[in-house]
Amino acid sequence: SQQGEEDPQALSIQEGENATMNCSYKTSINNLQWYRQNSGRGLVHLILIRSNEREKHSGRLRVTLDTSKKSSSLLITASRAADTASYFCATDAYDKVIFGPGTSLSVIP
Amino acid sequence: ETGVTQTPRHLVMGMTNKKSLKCEQHLGHNAMYWYKQSAKKPLELMFVYNFKEQTENNSVPSRFSPECPNSSHLFLHLHTLQPEDSALYLCASSQGGTSGRETQYFGPGTRLLVL
Repeated sequence: SQQGEEDPQALSIQEGENATMNCSYKTSINNLQWYRQNSGRGLVHLILIRSNEREKHSGRLRVTLDTSKKSSSLLITASRAADTASYFCATDAYDKVIFGPGTSLSVIP
Repeated sequence: ETGVTQTPRHLVMGMTNKKSLKCEQHLGHNAMYWYKQSAKKPLELMFVYNFKEQTENNSVPSRFSPECPNSSHLFLHLHTLQPEDSALYLCASSQGGTSGRETQYFGPGTRLLVL
């Protein structure tokens, strides 16, 4: 498996539901970031969580980090159709930043 | 708008052509990156420039040649490409320096098709 690997690969939910995506990694990290990418466009930074933090919030986003399990989760609450996108975690392992393959989220109106 | 622009947005080229991709950032950053994104594959880091110096080259074939004339501009020169080089090429920038990889700001990408 890769340094950063999201799970599930694809997720389909109804508008208003919550969406949870997970990211697992292998080595020690300095921080972990989540990015969103709308179809065929560039990535947009969502949130950064440092290795000494356990939880962070930004609007409808909640990110957790468990360094003992080497995993992070991204929760999007009260999802909207506009949240339809691919979501990537990026791990900063001190010498380089590595992106995972992403979770494709579809929010059905 | 993220402050990072890329031109062209779409490019179709033959295998014998020479073309260049351009990236410009208006964020005052000192680090710039080229990524390749192919269908069903993770984002692949190609090159990193920090204060105009190339600091990473991830075994990219020589048919891709980067150029960073200043901290605001980054080019990717393409020549004799192969059909498997068709992909979305993304440019990004970050603050740079020893701790400046943290948040990267991405351009919209150039969709390249090699025939």
